[in-house]
Amino acid sequence: GAVVSQHPSRVICKSGTSVKIECRSLDFQATTMFWYRQFPKQSLMLMATSNEGSKATYEQGVEKDKFLINHASLTLSTLTVTSAHPEDSSFYICSVIDGAKNIQYFGAGTRLSVL
Amino acid sequence: GDSVTQMEGPVTLSEEAFLTINCTYTATGYPSLFWYVQYPGEGLQLLLKATKADDKGSNKGFEATYRKETTSFHLEKGSVQVSDSAVYFCALSGSGGSYIPTFGRGTSLIVHP
Repeated sequence: GAVVSQHPSRVICKSGTSVKIECRSLDFQATTMFWYRQFPKQSLMLMATSNEGSKATYEQGVEKDKFLINHASLTLSTLTVTSAHPEDSSFYICSVIDGAKNIQYFGAGTRLSVL
Repeated sequence: GDSVTQMEGPVTLSEEAFLTINCTYTATGYPSLFWYVQYPGEGLQLLLKATKADDKGSNKGFEATYRKETTSFHLEKGSVQVSDSAVYFCALSGSGGSYIPTFGRGTSLIVHP
């Protein structure tokens, strides 16, 4: 069964609105979760590392105020795309790492379309 | 820094053909190596992995052997099916103590009946 649950799978919104994406670790407690962005026909780009109980660590070039990450519990991280614009349209994927096995598990992804 | 290089796609094959997708890497230390598969509209799924030199990962008829001397982890399958059509990502992690994977650009596989 799924190790990571991501919701919603698809969202269409108007420009200027905010969108929240949830990522849940189902099988184990995850102090760290990861958020990726994937452009069409390209690889995954790591956006940020979500840390439970503390601030997220953002990769260079990723706007902290645009992509708000909250990791309030050991099983839930949220990514909020604030004041979304068409250029934010993309496929967003979260993941968790089972450190004991060194295996990364991915959510099914969220297709964001900003009109 | 670490990097993963995959062959350019798309790879187009007929059903039951032999598949090879090349992957080479550059890393410090001794990373673990992975192949992930992404079906259309979905997230990534772990296909197979190898954690040390000469290990062979295998799953669903796919195989890849960790070759330290050639820094390669080529993906192979003896007889592909239409349902194998997807994008395949080679990745490494654990280099220098970091669990965050480094991904290749992905190779699209299209299998025709």
